Amino acid sequence: DGGITQSPKYLFRKEGQNVTLSCEQNLNHDAMYWYRQDPGQGLRLIYYSQIVNDFQKGDIAEGYSVSREKKESFPLTVTSAQKNPTAFYLCASSIDQGAGEAFFGQGTRLTVV
Amino acid sequence: KNEVEQSPQNLTAQEGEFITINCSYSVGISALHWLQQHPGGGIVSLFMLSSGKKKHGRLIATINIQEKHSSLHITASHPRDSAVYICAVNSGGSNYKLTFGKGTLLTVNP
Repeated sequence: DGGITQSPKYLFRKEGQNVTLSCEQNLNHDAMYWYRQDPGQGLRLIYYSQIVNDFQKGDIAEGYSVSREKKESFPLTVTSAQKNPTAFYLCASSIDQGAGEAFFGQGTRLTVV
Repeated sequence: KNEVEQSPQNLTAQEGEFITINCSYSVGISALHWLQQHPGGGIVSLFMLSSGKKKHGRLIATINIQEKHSSLHITASHPRDSAVYICAVNSGGSNYKLTFGKGTLLTVNP
């Protein structure tokens, strides 16, 4: 079945460590996105990529980095520079950069202790 | 002020009741999305619409572009409908970017 797979579902890291969240899709979508969700707030865009080897900062990119070496994969690294990394992270994809329907993964809950 | 406002924030209903969740937005949009988030966290897209009305099973979504308003209706609600319902808008342009509402927590009691 086609879809988006995020792993792991839960992740614990010590403060000061970088951590990479995985996002893989087999929908043949060009566009992929990373969102952050905090309690009581709407999802906020961290980074997005419209095509392989290209990505753009979203609204809250500071302290995060991404890569898009393959169409299927869009990993997100939460660096030690991110001041408040504990959150729920969602990956999404859409068929193109236009107003296509978005498909979401199951999310990764990151807790930094 | 958030560009996308949802109401109510929380909604509790009895099984079988008709549910309405509202979404108002302040920007021009090319599409509006209704999403469902279950307690596990994963999000499912329910509807994407740019005009009129769409229906899928017991769910109905409407949008009024002139009034910048959309509603999500659930007929004959069931406890399995309990979830957070999120409205999001695509304000168009060359980049796909969704602006999300804060969500409406729906609890349907048996």
